Amino acid sequence: DAGVTQSPTHLIKTRGQHVTLRCSPISGHKSVSWYQQVLGQGPQFIFQYYEKEERGRGNFPDRFSARQFPNYSSELNVNALLLGDSALYLCASSLEGGSLRGRPHEQYFGPGTRLTVT
Amino acid sequence: AQSVTQPDIHITVSEGASLELRCNYSYGATPYLFWYVQSPGQGLQLLLKYFSGDTLVQGIKGFEAEFKRSQSSFNLRKPSVHWSDAAEYFCAVGVRLSDKLIFGTGTRLQVFP
Repeated sequence: DAGVTQSPTHLIKTRGQHVTLRCSPISGHKSVSWYQQVLGQGPQFIFQYYEKEERGRGNFPDRFSARQFPNYSSELNVNALLLGDSALYLCASSLEGGSLRGRPHEQYFGPGTRLTVT
Repeated sequence: AQSVTQPDIHITVSEGASLELRCNYSYGATPYLFWYVQSPGQGLQLLLKYFSGDTLVQGIKGFEAEFKRSQSSFNLRKPSVHWSDAAEYFCAVGVRLSDKLIFGTGTRLQVFP
């Protein structure tokens, strides 16, 4: 079975442009989360979507938005790119969203999209 | 505030030597704790997790971790390191009632033959 897939693998954009990153979850998984990993740092939570609804949002500006489609794939959009948006963007999928008796579901991560803003 | 601290940015060990990677967390309730490994060009792979019960948890690839509530620690150990273990290791805490993970800054492991 295919794991979490992300596209594109690498991307170079100019300041002020916008970008769309795509994620396909593991078959049967209904929840997708997005993380930003700046070089030398751990991943930081951006969004979680479950059944096409936003379930959680991290401390990111409104320039960041996302959506989930009926087939559970997801897009992350970033507008008005800044140099500081350069990072590895990771997508993770899980079987369900929210929590199971208070516990987080196991998340499976994709290889990421490397975004460079010049 | 919830946070995870990994005090060691970079660790170098010889192949066959034992390994311990440190992780300290700050969390108000019983934590859900994870260790992930990230190889170059790869996503994060879950090594092991602690939710409750036995404080010594076994994971994949011969790794284990021990939860010590009194020290707010969840250190990762391996008795004998292989060259293929060279990677970046991340400790994370799961936020209760969500799937959100809070990661530490990671420890880069280098293995010499």
